[in-house]
Amino acid sequence: AQSVTQPDIHITVSEGASLELRCNYSYGATPYLFWYVQSPGQGLQLLLKYFSGDTLVQGIKGFEAEFKRSQSSFNLRKPSVHWSDAAEYFCAVGAQGNFNKFYFGSGTKLNVKP
Amino acid sequence: DGGITQSPKYLFRKEGQNVTLSCEQNLNHDAMYWYRQDPGQGLRLIYYSQIVNDFQKGDIAEGYSVSREKKESFPLTVTSAQKNPTAFYLCASKQANSYNEQFFGPGTRLTVL
Repeated sequence: AQSVTQPDIHITVSEGASLELRCNYSYGATPYLFWYVQSPGQGLQLLLKYFSGDTLVQGIKGFEAEFKRSQSSFNLRKPSVHWSDAAEYFCAVGAQGNFNKFYFGSGTKLNVKP
Repeated sequence: DGGITQSPKYLFRKEGQNVTLSCEQNLNHDAMYWYRQDPGQGLRLIYYSQIVNDFQKGDIAEGYSVSREKKESFPLTVTSAQKNPTAFYLCASKQANSYNEQFFGPGTRLTVL
């Protein structure tokens, strides 16, 4: 069965420090992958997505993610974190053979220290 | 502005009552979704619909029902059969049958007293 794993439940980084959030997926074919961000009590906003092509994907708010097939990973990165980045981040993968179904990871909550 | 609206933002109900959560979109999307979110569990799919008058069960459909009579609307009813209905409910939509992302509404927090 398909699944998405985000191994880190909570991460705390200092403002200005770099960030990497991990995402691993299980999928038989070429996956299509997403990162979303959620502020408390709000809906999810798309940060970036990968379907094919260049394995380094640029997103909004200075985020990027790299697809590594050999490691079944799609880690999210940001070189310098801002206090406004504090939120919960979700990785998602599209279901194999079904454009319209998705699997989400359990989320990583990011705290930013001043 | 195009988007997804969910109402109400907060909803309180007594145990044993059915309650319906509203979801409307004006993005002209064919596919719509309902997710449940509990702390530490991410998003779990309740139901989704790829086209009007058709819908499929997700991973946790028991105790929930939906309808899709109009393209713009996908209401979710939480029935008294749902054992633990207190949660945050998110509605989403996307262009069907394409490599596109989902767009999410702001959510409804349901508390059953």
